[in-house]
This record gives sequence, structure tokens and C-alpha cells, in this order.
Amino acid sequence: DVKVTQSSRYLVKRTGEKVFLECVQDMDHENMFWYRQDPGLGLRLIYFSYDVKMKEKGDIPEGYSVSREKKERFSLILESASTNQTSMYLCASFPGGSGSPLHFGNGTRLTVT
Amino acid sequence: LAKTTQPISMDSYEGQEVNITCSHNNIATNDYITWYQQFPSQGPRFIIQGYKTKVTNEVASLFIPADRKSSTLSLPRVSLSDTAVYYCLVGNSSASKIIFGSGTRLSIRP
Repeated sequence: DVKVTQSSRYLVKRTGEKVFLECVQDMDHENMFWYRQDPGLGLRLIYFSYDVKMKEKGDIPEGYSVSREKKERFSLILESASTNQTSMYLCASFPGGSGSPLHFGNGTRLTVT
Repeated sequence: LAKTTQPISMDSYEGQEVNITCSHNNIATNDYITWYQQFPSQGPRFIIQGYKTKVTNEVASLFIPADRKSSTLSLPRVSLSDTAVYYCLVGNSSASKIIFGSGTRLSIRP
């Protein structure tokens, strides 16, 4: 079974801190994604990566950056955390190819105070 | 990427069959239709995927008409544990920007 692991289940940070959310997948998938999920807004795509060192903006990239130095790891970075970035963050990976579904981690619930 | 439209919410009772329909009028020829289930405080998980006609697995069936502009997820004999949000996605292997719609919040009552 594919495993997508997010390093923290719960995180509390202060406004202005630099925050790193880490995601690791163990199936050599090409594509990785970061979403945030807020009540009433569903899952919104922040960034995705289709290869090492490659990244593309999703629908809401403002205030975030990403890093993909190795194929298995995709990091989401909040350069200066703000209270409106309090949310559930979900990482997913996707191998590509017809009939391949997304595989999600269990999420990181980030609270910025 | 094809946009999808689903009902915001549905209610049903234990033991009933539940059908959730998704509209995707702009589906492309090489797009697949994939359904995910999400429980609170968890990531979505894959339920079923299809391209045309009917697909069945141990948890659900997926019905896709010939024009492929819609699809119906069928959950047989639901239980309380089927209470979740269900998402329909349309895309293919080259669609790297994968966007989720609002999903359908399914509530099952005793």
C-alpha cells in the first residue's frame, strides 16, 4: 500500500514564524500536491510538483512556497505565518498514468496564534 | 480540467442504497472519473474509478452513461460509517493540476 506521511498531525505556531510542513511518500510517485481544507471551502490546491525541483502554483499560492529536493519529499513553507493560514493541510501523491488515483496523508492541522 | 457539479448534501438511512450523481459536461476523451471519500480529520481516500459503462468493487459501483457527461456513485446498503464527504474528480494522467470540487456531504441516520 502507498504510504503518504505528514510529519506532524497538529502544529501550533505564532504569527510571523517560518513554518515547515513535511510530506514523504514511499512509492516513487512523480507528482505531489499540497492542499488546504477549510470549512465550507473544500480542498484548495496550493502548489504541486511533477518532478524533483519542479513546482507549479495551484489556485492559492500566496503566502506559501514549496521545496522538492528529493522525489519522495515535498515540503510546504509558510515564510511568515499569519492567522488566516490556520487550516488543515493535506499532502497527496500521484504516480501518473491512466487509472491512477491520488493518495493522501492524514493531514496537519495548523493553528497560527 | 473538467469542472464537476455535485449536490452539496444528501441524507439517507441505514440499509438503503444511496446514489450520488456528478455532472461533468466538459469531460475530455481521455479523462477518467474518480470518486473519493473523506472522513473528518482525515485525508480523502480513493473509492472507485471508471472510464465508461459500469465499474463495481467491494465498496461501491460507478455508473457512467454513454455520453460520459455525468456519473453516479452507488453505495449499496449504507451504514452509519458511510457518513462522509464524497468527491467526484475528472482528469487523466497528464492533468497535473488536480482540482477538487465542493463534494457531497452524506449523512446516514439509524
